[in-house]
Amino acid sequence: EAQVTQNPRYLITVTGKKLTVTCSQNMNHEYMSWYRQDPGLGLRQIYYSMNVEVTDKGDVPEGYKVSRKEKRNFPLILESPSPNQTSLYFCASRRTGDSNQPQHFGDGTRLSIL
Amino acid sequence: GNSVTQMEGPVTLSEEAFLTINCTYTATGYPSLFWYVQYPGEGLQLLLKATKADDKGSNKGFEATYRKETTSFHLEKGSVQVSDSAVYFCALRGGADGLTFGKGTHLIIQP
Repeated sequence: EAQVTQNPRYLITVTGKKLTVTCSQNMNHEYMSWYRQDPGLGLRQIYYSMNVEVTDKGDVPEGYKVSRKEKRNFPLILESPSPNQTSLYFCASRRTGDSNQPQHFGDGTRLSIL
Repeated sequence: GNSVTQMEGPVTLSEEAFLTINCTYTATGYPSLFWYVQYPGEGLQLLLKATKADDKGSNKGFEATYRKETTSFHLEKGSVQVSDSAVYFCALRGGADGLTFGKGTHLIIQP
């Protein structure tokens, strides 16, 4: 089954404690992306990657890092989380080469930073 | 830059009512337009899309027409069901690969 898998689905942690949210897709997609969803703001793009070893900032990259060492994985790293990063996070992927291809989304990761 | 504006709701309707969720956009060039749906506790699923002016996307009884002259992509359904209760996001993709989303419209259908 084609899917985008995020882990963990839920996490409560404290300010300053480094955390990583993993994202894996099994569709051999080149493009992957991270979004955060906040009430009244919709979804905003954090980082994206066009392919292995190629990453770029989205609209709200501050406080986040990503890496793309393998095609299927695109982890989101919070080196020193802060309460304003409490949010619902979505990973997405799609095939490139055709700009009309839709993005496939994971089920989301709800982070609470205390 | 690109932007998407949609009614935020919540929108509350009775079962079998007619649904319209308005979406307008600002973008340079000719973006592709999408509607995504988010059911409670789940991720976003593509509902329908349109890639050029006057295209009509349709799926599961929902429709939306790409209107370049009014820069709109309103979502419609003739007869909603309780199972349609969800959050609906209008989105566009312009020159870059990222999606620009509206803030989402929470739809509640009452039996």
